[in-house]
Amino acid sequence: KNEVEQSPQNLTAQEGEFITINCSYSVGISALHWLQQHPGGGIVSLFMLSSGKKKHGRLIATINIQEKHSSLHITASHPRDSAVYICAVNPTGNQFYFGTGTSLTVIP
Amino acid sequence: ETGVTQSPTHLIKTRGQQVTLRCSSQSGHNTVSWYQQALGQGPQFIFQYYREEENGRGNFPPRFSGLQFPNYSSELNVNALELDDSALYLCASSLNPTSYNEQFFGPGTRLTVL
Repeated sequence: KNEVEQSPQNLTAQEGEFITINCSYSVGISALHWLQQHPGGGIVSLFMLSSGKKKHGRLIATINIQEKHSSLHITASHPRDSAVYICAVNPTGNQFYFGTGTSLTVIP
Repeated sequence: ETGVTQSPTHLIKTRGQQVTLRCSSQSGHNTVSWYQQALGQGPQFIFQYYREEENGRGNFPPRFSGLQFPNYSSELNVNALELDDSALYLCASSLNPTSYNEQFFGPGTRLTVL
């Protein structure tokens, strides 16, 4: 069993739609990361969370430590948001477990 | 300030060969982590280096080894390549090893083993 599970695996949305990607994890963590990976491989760190909620522009990330669950929301989605979104958790300072990613396609 | 860079971008090797991948950390970062990402999968943690010493290792065999240099650049070496080693190899640097510091990822090296 993977320590990090994401859903859905694939998601197609119309431009402007509100999108939610979910992440559940089974280990105790000190931090959770949301990453964005574009075709070709480059990864960008979107958020690092240890509690509560963070917002950057149209992106919002929330975490519930008790329920071991996090969500990434995208408001007013745009085709340039098309990418793979990866949830990663950090039980200790030098170990990371990654989900398999959610592939998002936003259609104009 | 330059970001994390990796070289080469693409590499083709045959089974049994050895390969060295390189990573240049973001300025001021003393910690680098290496990850293997197979096609369609999330990254898997290989190991982390902090101030030139290995500071944690994932479930990878000893033929995966690394080095970190005084300027905090890093190498990943893989000996006796196997077909399953074909993957995207990512490095990420951070200010220090603690979990509360953001990691900055390089663009990756895509290794194909034939």
